[in-house]
Parts: sequence; C-alpha cells; structure tokens
Amino acid sequence: AIRMTQSPSLLSASTGDRVTITCRASQGISSYLAWYQQKPGKAPKLLIYAASTLQSGVPSRFSGSGSGTDFTLTISCLQSEDFATYYCQQYYSYPRTFGQGTKVEIK
Amino acid sequence: EVQLVESGGGLVQPGGSLRLSCAASGFTFSSYEMNWVRQAPGKGLEWVSYISSSGSTIYYADSVKGRFTISRDNAKNSLYLQMNSLRAEDTAVYYCARDFSMVRGVIDYWGQGTLVTVSS
Repeated sequence: AIRMTQSPSLLSASTGDRVTITCRASQGISSYLAWYQQKPGKAPKLLIYAASTLQSGVPSRFSGSGSGTDFTLTISCLQSEDFATYYCQQYYSYPRTFGQGTKVEIK
Repeated sequence: EVQLVESGGGLVQPGGSLRLSCAASGFTFSSYEMNWVRQAPGKGLEWVSYISSSGSTIYYADSVKGRFTISRDNAKNSLYLQMNSLRAEDTAVYYCARDFSMVRGVIDYWGQGTLVTVSS
C-alpha cells in the first residue's frame, strides 16, 4: 500500500496567516491526490482533487500543488472557519490511503 | 440535495457481527460508485471498501479483507457493509461515502456516520 505522510501533524496559526501543509507519498502517484477538511464531529469535506483543482464552492484562499510524491495544501489567509483537521488522500491505486492528518489550531 | 444516512451501528462483542446500511437520496444512486470509510475515536480516516455502480467490482482494505462484505441494492438506493469476526480495532465511526462522478477515487459526499463499538 502507498503510505501518505503529512507534516506537520499540528500547526498553530493565527487568523490572517498563510499556512502550508505538506503531504508526501511513499511512491509516485502522479497528480492523483485529494485534500479534505474535517471539523470535530462532522464528516470530511472535499477541498481539492487532482492535486490542484478546487472543488466547486471551496473558497479561493485554498490551493494545492505538487505531483509525483510531494504535495502541498496552502491556505493563503486563514479564516476562523478554517481551524480544522486536513487530510490528504491518494487515489492512484487501491487501497486508497489517507495521510494521518494535520490539525490547524488557533495560536 | 444529496443525502447519505447510515444506520446499524452499535455495541457488539468481539467475534460478533453487525450489518451497516446506508440510505441514499437526492441523486441517481445506481450511477455512482460507493465506499465505506471509517475513523477510530480520535484517529484519522481509513478507507474500508469500494463497490462499483453495478456491484461488479469490489475492493477492500487488507485490514478487513475476508471479514467484511460490501454490497448494494440499486432498486432500494441502499449500500451495505456486513461485518463479521469483529475486533476491538474495528471500533470506529463508519461513513458511507459517494465517489465523485468526475474523478474516480475522490469522495464528494459523506454521510454523518454510524458508530460501531466492539467491546466485551
């Protein structure tokens, strides 16, 4: 199985900050990568697919980049509603695998 | 409006069985590929199983292979997960999740989840 490793696991930031989360695949996955946001007690929400394509309705402050093994999720100007846990997921091959998550908390 | 509503969770003893159901509405269920994804308490997401729109193609995570069976009834707009030989490590919230029609492998809608607790 392809292992997905996110860093950092915990990120402390303030409203208005630019934040970047990294996701690394244990082998090349081209651009078959998605990002999800999850808030406590809620189901995950799709943010980005194909590494950099924003899902409909997702604010443009979210962006994704990368291909192969290294990917990033960037939030350009952190808003209060963005404090949540973020997961990357590869869909290059089965089993689909998720990163362990990055919790973005208020500094 | 797309809705996925899971049911069937609860407390079960190790070695026991449970059948989860997911009622889908607001979209043409028979046209979509579906999944089960789980999340242990305080932990991350783990993909469990996939089934194609017709039911002809199925995949499982190694952790559940041989114990869990995914199925669907397109006439009833329902997805199922039969879970046998349950273990403590199967304790989790189980989400029913729809694959994005434009990009196979990406999940665009999730249910609210049903909690399965495996404990004696």
